[in-house]
Amino acid sequence: NAGVTQTPKFQVLKTGQSMTLQCAQDMNHEYMSWYRQDPGMGLRLIHYSVGAGITDQGEVPNGYNVSRSTTEDFPLRLLSAAPSQTSVYFCASSYSWAGANVLTFGAGSRLTVL
Amino acid sequence: QQQVKQSPQSLIVQKGGISIINCAYENTAFDYFPWYQQFPGKGPALLIAIRPDVSEKKEGRFTISFNKSAKQFSLHIMDSQPGDSATYFCAPITETSGSRLTFGEGTQLTVNP
Repeated sequence: NAGVTQTPKFQVLKTGQSMTLQCAQDMNHEYMSWYRQDPGMGLRLIHYSVGAGITDQGEVPNGYNVSRSTTEDFPLRLLSAAPSQTSVYFCASSYSWAGANVLTFGAGSRLTVL
Repeated sequence: QQQVKQSPQSLIVQKGGISIINCAYENTAFDYFPWYQQFPGKGPALLIAIRPDVSEKKEGRFTISFNKSAKQFSLHIMDSQPGDSATYFCAPITETSGSRLTFGEGTQLTVNP
């Protein structure tokens, strides 16, 4: 199994440009989420989904949109990139949103906004 | 509101030494206490976890100790190896938050050969 696959691995954007970070999982996981990782701040939850068609905001949702049309895919959209969105983004999934579950993370997407 | 605080931010130990990383939390509803390990260029991965009904759990060289009254749990790495060099995160969970993990700031561990 591939697990959680993120594309692209690296991306450079100019301020104001838009882009989509892709995330796909092949484990039939119910729960998917996006985190951003910044130095000294750990991982912060951006958006999450408890199933197809259901999404909700996390700790730092501003500037990001998500949708979940299938169980497998959970893309993260930046509508108008800002330098403050320079970060490493991780997609993660788990079998269920409830209870103590192990999150499986992708390898990350490093985004630089100039 | 900072619910989870890790210390130290960075740690350097010699091969064969003991590495100790601490996690202090505020939310007494947390009921599952995992540690994640992250190597450079990779996503975090679950290393070891403990439930509050036990005070210690050991898996190989890795041990979690849990102090409910102090609202702290710690990761101990015995006989530390250069291959343990990574960033470690605590991410306690409540039953209701489930997979919506709140991560500590991370501890960068370097084990010198």
